[in-house]
Amino acid sequence: NAGVTQTPKFRILKIGQSMTLQCTQDMNHNYMYWYRQDPGMGLKLIYYSVGAGITDKGEVPNGYNVSRSTTEDFPLRLELAAPSQTSVYFCASSYLPQGNTEAFFGQGTRLTVV
Amino acid sequence: QQPVQSPQAVILREGEDAVINCSSSKALYSVHWYRQKHGEAPVFLMILLKGGEQKGHEKISASFNEKKQQSSLYLTASQLSYSGTYFCGTPFGNEKLTFGTGTRLTIIP
Repeated sequence: NAGVTQTPKFRILKIGQSMTLQCTQDMNHNYMYWYRQDPGMGLKLIYYSVGAGITDKGEVPNGYNVSRSTTEDFPLRLELAAPSQTSVYFCASSYLPQGNTEAFFGQGTRLTVV
Repeated sequence: QQPVQSPQAVILREGEDAVINCSSSKALYSVHWYRQKHGEAPVFLMILLKGGEQKGHEKISASFNEKKQQSSLYLTASQLSYSGTYFCGTPFGNEKLTFGTGTRLTIIP
């Protein structure tokens, strides 16, 4: 099992550009999450999904969009990139709601907006 | 509400012990602990549920006092491999966690 796979690992965007961060998991987990981590800080929840076709906002959703058309995939879309979106992005998944079980994290995408 | 961790950073010599604390302003039914090594993804250590039971992972154990809304992580006889940033997470609703800002642990030989 590969677990949670994120692509790309690194990306540099210019202000105003858009991109999609890919996340896929092969553990058949219903619950998936997107976090951002700023330098020296904790993880902030951007969006999450409790199953295919169902998504909801987290703490910091502005400037992002998500979709969940399959159980495996949970892409994160950045529209009109801004320097404030420079961060490391982590995707995670869990078998049960995250409040009750461990979450498995991908290796992260380091995004720089210039 | 984000849980508060203390200390923010600690430096230990190999073999020394450390305690990392996590407190919340709201009632908790569980506390989660993760470790993140530099440049890597967070990795789950343990989850503590209501009832005050202690859990263990290697020589790392933790306690949860739901009345005080606090959890403590105990690292005994620290090893170089324990270096990293430790995060506690507390449930926000049922589906998600709110993470603390982390405690950076540095172990020196």
